[in-house]
Amino acid sequence: AQRVTQPEKLLSVFKGAPVELKCNYSYSGSPELFWYVQYSRQRLQLLLRHISRESIKGFTADLNKGETSFHLKKPFAQEEDSAMYYCALKGSSNTGKLIFGQGTTLQVKP
Amino acid sequence: EAGVTQSPTHLIKTRGQQATLRCSPISGHTSVYWYQQALGLGLQFLLWYDEGEERNRGNFPPRFSGRQFPNYSSELNVNALELEDSALYLCASSLLGSGANVLTFGAGSRLTVL
Repeated sequence: AQRVTQPEKLLSVFKGAPVELKCNYSYSGSPELFWYVQYSRQRLQLLLRHISRESIKGFTADLNKGETSFHLKKPFAQEEDSAMYYCALKGSSNTGKLIFGQGTTLQVKP
Repeated sequence: EAGVTQSPTHLIKTRGQQATLRCSPISGHTSVYWYQQALGLGLQFLLWYDEGEERNRGNFPPRFSGRQFPNYSSELNVNALELEDSALYLCASSLLGSGANVLTFGAGSRLTVL
């Protein structure tokens, strides 16, 4: 079964501390994975996708096929990073379906 | 450029009634997706429309239906409303051919069933 698991509902860190939001997936084949973010009172928006291999707002995520993980990392958290983060997996080819994890709320304290 | 627009923002209905939610995609986007975000259940895929055709639907009963119009806007209809249909319904759009690669979401329509 295709599944995305985000084990933490809430992650609370102090400003300047490193952040790692965990995401594990279950998928047979080559996955396509994304991180979406929702800031307070804003729409859900794409943060990054693994095939782009880019850093957005200081965040990076590396696909680890051996551990079936796609953790989101940032070396130094900022207060403006506080938001809900969703990991998502593109389902089987051409289904148009994204499978989302339950989301993790990141709270960055001053 | 206008983003994905959804209406109404809020909708209150009673059990057994029907609800209609509307979505206008970003100009140039031909694929429209509907997701349900119910409390505690995360985002669940509902429907995918592309070029006026229903391409895929999630694990929802047939009373959830919709359509896509020639201008690529879309409607989601929920018949015989039940209390558990109370949720935020998100619409998203993407470019033709990109499948579900990159979605642009609307602000959502919050449906409350009393």
